Amino acid sequence: KAGVTQTPRYLIKTRGQQVTLSCSPISGHRSVSWYQQTPGQGLQFLFEYFSETQRNKGNFPGRFSGRQFSNSRSEMNVSTLELGDSALYLCASSLIPDSEKLFFGSGTQLSVL
Amino acid sequence: GENVEQHPSTLSVQEGDSAVIKCTYSDSASNYFPWYKQELGKRPQLIIDIRSNVGEKKDQRIAVTLNKTAKHFSLHITETQPEDSAVYFCAAWTPGGYNKLIFGAGTRLAVHP
Repeated sequence: KAGVTQTPRYLIKTRGQQVTLSCSPISGHRSVSWYQQTPGQGLQFLFEYFSETQRNKGNFPGRFSGRQFSNSRSEMNVSTLELGDSALYLCASSLIPDSEKLFFGSGTQLSVL
Repeated sequence: GENVEQHPSTLSVQEGDSAVIKCTYSDSASNYFPWYKQELGKRPQLIIDIRSNVGEKKDQRIAVTLNKTAKHFSLHITETQPEDSAVYFCAAWTPGGYNKLIFGAGTRLAVHP
């Protein structure tokens, strides 16, 4: 069974631009969560999607948004990029929402110059 | 709000020594505590977990202990090997909470041959 797949693996953008990241969950998993990982901050929860609906949202500005498609694939969008948005963005999938067991992708490393 | 503190942020040991990483959580309703290992450039992977009705759990060279009264839990790695070098994250799961899985900031463990 394929794991969680995130694309692209690396991205370099400049301030003010926008970016879209993609996540394909494990086959059969219907819940997708997004996390931002920065050195010293651990993993900060961004949002969780299930059945194409956002169920939970973390404490991030409105520039961070996401969506989920009918095949459970999810995208995350960051508009008007800032230098502080440079981070590893991790996607995790689970069979159902509110699951304790998360399976992570390898992440997208975003660098904002 | 809910918080998980993790110490130390970096840990350096000689091969064969033991390593201990400690976490403290704030929400007494938390009842599940996973530990993730993230090797350089790879995805976080669950290595061991413990539920609140258990005080200790072992899996070969790794063990986790939980003190519910003090709201502490710890990861113990014995007979460390260079392949144990990674970033380790603790997390606390709170059922019914808004952001259910809260992560610690991570510990970078270096095992020197």
